[in-house]
Amino acid sequence: AQSVAQPEDQVNVAEGNPLTVKCTYSVSGNPYLFWYVQYPNRGLQFLLKYITGDNLVKGSYGFEAEFNKSQTSFHLKKPSALVSDSALYFCAVRDRAGANNLFFGTGTRLTVIP
Amino acid sequence: DGGITQSPKYLFRKEGQNVTLSCEQNLNHDAMYWYRQDPGQGLRLIYYSQIVNDFQKGDIAEGYSVSREKKESFPLTVTSAQKNPTAFYLCASIAQPDGNTEAFFGQGTRLTVV
Repeated sequence: AQSVAQPEDQVNVAEGNPLTVKCTYSVSGNPYLFWYVQYPNRGLQFLLKYITGDNLVKGSYGFEAEFNKSQTSFHLKKPSALVSDSALYFCAVRDRAGANNLFFGTGTRLTVIP
Repeated sequence: DGGITQSPKYLFRKEGQNVTLSCEQNLNHDAMYWYRQDPGQGLRLIYYSQIVNDFQKGDIAEGYSVSREKKESFPLTVTSAQKNPTAFYLCASIAQPDGNTEAFFGQGTRLTVV
Protein backbone atom coordinates (compact mmCIF):
# COMPACT_ATOMS: atom_id res chain seq x y z
CA ALA A 1 0.00 0.00 0.00
CA GLN A 2 1.13 3.51 -0.74
CA SER A 3 0.93 6.36 1.72
CA VAL A 4 2.38 9.74 2.43
CA ALA A 5 2.76 11.44 5.80
CA GLN A 6 3.24 15.12 6.40
CA PRO A 7 3.71 15.23 10.17
CA GLU A 8 3.25 18.97 10.57
CA ASP A 9 -0.08 20.63 9.85
CA GLN A 10 1.48 24.08 10.26
CA VAL A 11 4.99 25.46 9.88
CA ASN A 12 5.86 29.03 10.80
CA VAL A 13 9.14 30.63 9.79
CA ALA A 14 10.50 34.14 9.80
CA GLU A 15 11.16 35.83 6.48
CA GLY A 16 14.74 35.27 5.40
CA ASN A 17 15.19 32.13 7.47
CA PRO A 18 15.53 28.67 5.96
CA LEU A 19 12.41 26.56 5.80
CA THR A 20 11.76 22.82 5.83
CA VAL A 21 8.48 21.05 5.18
CA LYS A 22 8.65 17.37 6.05
CA CYS A 23 7.38 14.37 4.10
CA THR A 24 7.77 10.64 4.59
CA TYR A 25 6.39 7.98 2.32
CA SER A 26 5.64 4.29 2.09
CA VAL A 27 5.58 2.32 -1.15
CA SER A 28 6.17 -1.30 -2.02
CA GLY A 29 8.71 -0.49 -4.70
CA ASN A 30 10.75 2.52 -5.72
CA PRO A 31 8.94 5.83 -5.67
CA TYR A 32 8.34 8.80 -7.84
CA LEU A 33 8.01 11.74 -5.43
CA PHE A 34 6.45 15.14 -6.00
CA TRP A 35 5.85 18.43 -4.22
CA TYR A 36 2.95 20.73 -5.05
CA VAL A 37 1.88 24.13 -3.72
CA GLN A 38 -1.66 25.43 -3.39
CA TYR A 39 -2.75 29.02 -2.94
CA PRO A 40 -6.25 29.80 -1.57
CA ASN A 41 -9.12 28.61 -3.76
CA ARG A 42 -6.71 27.50 -6.48
CA GLY A 43 -5.54 24.24 -7.95
CA LEU A 44 -2.21 22.63 -7.15
CA GLN A 45 0.94 23.84 -8.85
CA PHE A 46 3.88 21.53 -9.45
CA LEU A 47 7.12 22.48 -7.66
CA LEU A 48 9.55 19.61 -8.19
CA LYS A 49 9.94 15.87 -8.49
CA TYR A 50 12.37 13.07 -7.78
CA ILE A 51 12.59 10.36 -10.40
CA THR A 52 16.12 9.00 -10.21
CA GLY A 53 19.70 10.15 -9.88
CA ASP A 54 20.89 12.94 -7.62
CA ASN A 55 19.14 12.88 -4.27
CA LEU A 56 18.91 16.67 -4.17
CA VAL A 57 16.43 18.02 -6.68
CA LYS A 58 15.84 21.66 -7.47
CA GLY A 59 12.54 23.11 -8.51
CA SER A 60 10.55 26.27 -9.01
CA TYR A 61 10.82 29.45 -6.95
CA GLY A 62 14.09 28.43 -5.28
CA PHE A 63 12.71 25.30 -3.64
CA GLU A 64 14.64 22.07 -3.40
CA ALA A 65 14.04 18.68 -1.86
CA GLU A 66 16.25 15.88 -0.65
CA PHE A 67 15.40 12.25 -1.27
CA ASN A 68 16.57 9.95 1.53
CA LYS A 69 15.89 6.33 0.75
CA SER A 70 16.96 4.93 4.10
CA GLN A 71 14.65 7.30 5.96
CA THR A 72 11.95 7.17 3.26
CA SER A 73 11.78 10.93 3.35
CA PHE A 74 11.50 13.72 0.80
CA HIS A 75 11.67 16.98 2.74
CA LEU A 76 11.08 20.28 0.97
CA LYS A 77 13.56 23.07 1.68
CA LYS A 78 14.35 26.65 0.81
CA PRO A 79 17.40 28.57 2.03
CA SER A 80 15.62 31.88 2.56
CA ALA A 81 11.84 32.12 2.99
CA LEU A 82 9.71 34.83 1.42
CA VAL A 83 6.33 36.07 2.65
CA SER A 84 4.96 35.06 -0.76
CA ASP A 85 5.91 31.43 -0.01
CA SER A 86 3.02 31.28 2.48
CA ALA A 87 0.69 28.59 1.12
CA LEU A 88 -0.41 24.98 1.52
CA TYR A 89 2.17 22.39 0.46
CA PHE A 90 1.45 18.82 -0.56
CA CYS A 91 3.81 15.90 -0.92
CA ALA A 92 2.77 13.09 -3.28
CA VAL A 93 4.08 9.65 -4.20
CA ARG A 94 3.59 7.19 -7.02
CA ASP A 95 4.95 3.65 -6.96
CA ARG A 96 7.09 2.86 -10.02
CA ALA A 97 5.91 -0.73 -9.87
CA GLY A 98 2.72 0.03 -11.67
CA ALA A 99 0.27 1.82 -9.46
CA ASN A 100 -1.40 4.46 -11.48
CA ASN A 101 -2.40 6.91 -8.83
CA LEU A 102 -0.81 9.78 -7.07
CA PHE A 103 -1.20 9.54 -3.31
CA PHE A 104 -1.15 12.81 -1.43
CA GLY A 105 -0.27 13.79 2.10
CA THR A 106 -2.68 15.85 4.15
CA GLY A 107 -0.81 19.06 3.47
CA THR A 108 1.31 21.47 5.51
CA ARG A 109 0.38 25.11 5.82
CA LEU A 110 3.48 27.28 5.65
CA THR A 111 3.30 30.78 7.08
CA VAL A 112 6.24 33.10 6.55
CA ILE A 113 6.23 35.90 9.09
CA PRO A 114 7.51 39.30 7.95
CA ASP B 1 -2.54 28.08 -23.72
CA GLY B 2 -2.51 24.42 -22.82
CA GLY B 3 -4.05 23.39 -19.57
CA ILE B 4 -7.00 22.07 -17.64
CA THR B 5 -10.21 24.01 -17.29
CA GLN B 6 -12.72 23.30 -14.57
CA SER B 7 -16.15 24.90 -14.52
CA PRO B 8 -17.94 26.37 -12.79
CA LYS B 9 -15.65 27.84 -10.15
CA TYR B 10 -18.47 27.95 -7.61
CA LEU B 11 -21.54 25.72 -7.59
CA PHE B 12 -24.49 25.56 -5.25
CA ARG B 13 -26.66 22.49 -4.99
CA LYS B 14 -29.95 21.94 -3.31
CA GLU B 15 -30.34 18.75 -1.33
CA GLY B 16 -31.59 15.92 -3.54
CA GLN B 17 -30.20 17.37 -6.76
CA ASN B 18 -27.57 15.94 -9.05
CA VAL B 19 -24.92 18.35 -10.32
CA THR B 20 -22.17 17.91 -12.89
CA LEU B 21 -18.71 19.42 -12.68
CA SER B 22 -16.86 19.95 -15.92
CA CYS B 23 -13.19 19.17 -16.57
CA GLU B 24 -11.60 19.74 -19.98
CA GLN B 25 -7.92 19.43 -20.93
CA ASN B 26 -6.08 20.29 -24.15
CA LEU B 27 -2.78 18.73 -23.11
CA ASN B 28 -3.42 15.46 -24.96
CA HIS B 29 -3.00 13.62 -21.68
CA ASP B 30 -4.16 10.02 -21.42
CA ALA B 31 -5.05 9.90 -17.73
CA MET B 32 -7.48 12.10 -15.83
CA TYR B 33 -8.39 12.19 -12.15
CA TRP B 34 -10.95 13.67 -9.78
CA TYR B 35 -9.99 14.51 -6.21
CA ARG B 36 -11.99 15.86 -3.32
CA GLN B 37 -10.32 18.23 -0.88
CA ASP B 38 -11.60 18.77 2.64
CA PRO B 39 -9.80 20.78 5.32
CA GLY B 40 -7.17 18.71 7.10
CA GLN B 41 -7.73 15.64 4.91
CA GLY B 42 -5.61 16.38 1.91
CA LEU B 43 -6.73 15.12 -1.48
CA ARG B 44 -8.81 11.98 -1.75
CA LEU B 45 -9.24 10.18 -5.06
CA ILE B 46 -12.81 9.84 -6.33
CA TYR B 47 -12.41 8.38 -9.83
CA TYR B 48 -9.71 8.09 -12.44
CA SER B 49 -9.53 7.23 -16.12
CA GLN B 50 -6.49 6.03 -18.03
CA ILE B 51 -8.07 5.83 -21.49
CA VAL B 52 -11.24 6.84 -23.25
CA ASN B 53 -14.33 4.83 -22.32
CA ASP B 54 -12.67 3.38 -19.24
CA PHE B 55 -12.59 4.57 -15.64
CA GLN B 56 -11.96 3.17 -12.19
CA LYS B 57 -13.23 3.94 -8.72
CA GLY B 58 -10.94 5.63 -6.28
CA ASP B 59 -11.08 5.62 -2.52
CA ILE B 60 -14.34 7.59 -2.12
CA ALA B 61 -16.42 6.86 -5.24
CA GLU B 62 -19.76 6.35 -3.50
CA GLY B 63 -22.27 8.99 -4.50
CA TYR B 64 -20.29 10.05 -7.57
CA SER B 65 -20.29 9.07 -11.24
CA VAL B 66 -18.07 9.90 -14.22
CA SER B 67 -17.80 9.38 -17.95
CA ARG B 68 -14.89 9.50 -20.40
CA GLU B 69 -16.39 9.68 -23.86
CA LYS B 70 -13.64 11.94 -25.17
CA LYS B 71 -9.96 12.13 -24.32
CA GLU B 72 -10.30 15.80 -23.50
CA SER B 73 -13.24 15.59 -21.13
CA PHE B 74 -13.87 13.89 -17.77
CA PRO B 75 -17.05 15.25 -16.15
CA LEU B 76 -17.96 14.37 -12.57
CA THR B 77 -21.56 14.05 -11.42
CA VAL B 78 -22.30 14.46 -7.74
CA THR B 79 -25.49 12.54 -7.15
CA SER B 80 -28.09 12.88 -4.44
CA ALA B 81 -26.63 9.74 -2.89
CA GLN B 82 -23.55 11.70 -1.82
CA LYS B 83 -24.55 12.72 1.69
CA ASN B 84 -21.88 15.30 2.35
CA PRO B 85 -20.91 16.84 -0.99
CA THR B 86 -19.77 20.24 0.23
CA ALA B 87 -16.07 20.34 -0.67
CA PHE B 88 -13.47 21.63 -3.09
CA TYR B 89 -13.16 19.40 -6.17
CA LEU B 90 -9.97 19.18 -8.20
CA CYS B 91 -9.45 17.64 -11.60
CA ALA B 92 -5.99 16.57 -12.75
CA SER B 93 -4.37 14.96 -15.76
CA ILE B 94 -1.12 13.10 -16.40
CA ALA B 95 0.49 12.48 -19.77
CA GLN B 96 0.84 8.72 -19.24
CA PRO B 97 -0.60 6.99 -16.19
CA ASP B 98 2.49 4.85 -15.59
CA GLY B 99 5.09 7.46 -16.36
CA ASN B 100 7.16 9.77 -14.25
CA THR B 101 5.60 13.02 -15.35
CA GLU B 102 3.84 15.33 -12.97
CA ALA B 103 0.11 15.91 -12.76
CA PHE B 104 -1.48 19.11 -13.99
CA PHE B 105 -4.41 20.47 -12.00
CA GLY B 106 -7.40 22.61 -12.81
CA GLN B 107 -8.32 25.58 -10.65
CA GLY B 108 -11.01 23.67 -8.80
CA THR B 109 -14.75 23.84 -8.24
CA ARG B 110 -16.13 24.71 -4.83
CA LEU B 111 -19.44 22.92 -4.32
CA THR B 112 -21.79 24.00 -1.55
CA VAL B 113 -25.06 22.37 -0.55
CA VAL B 114 -27.73 24.90 0.32
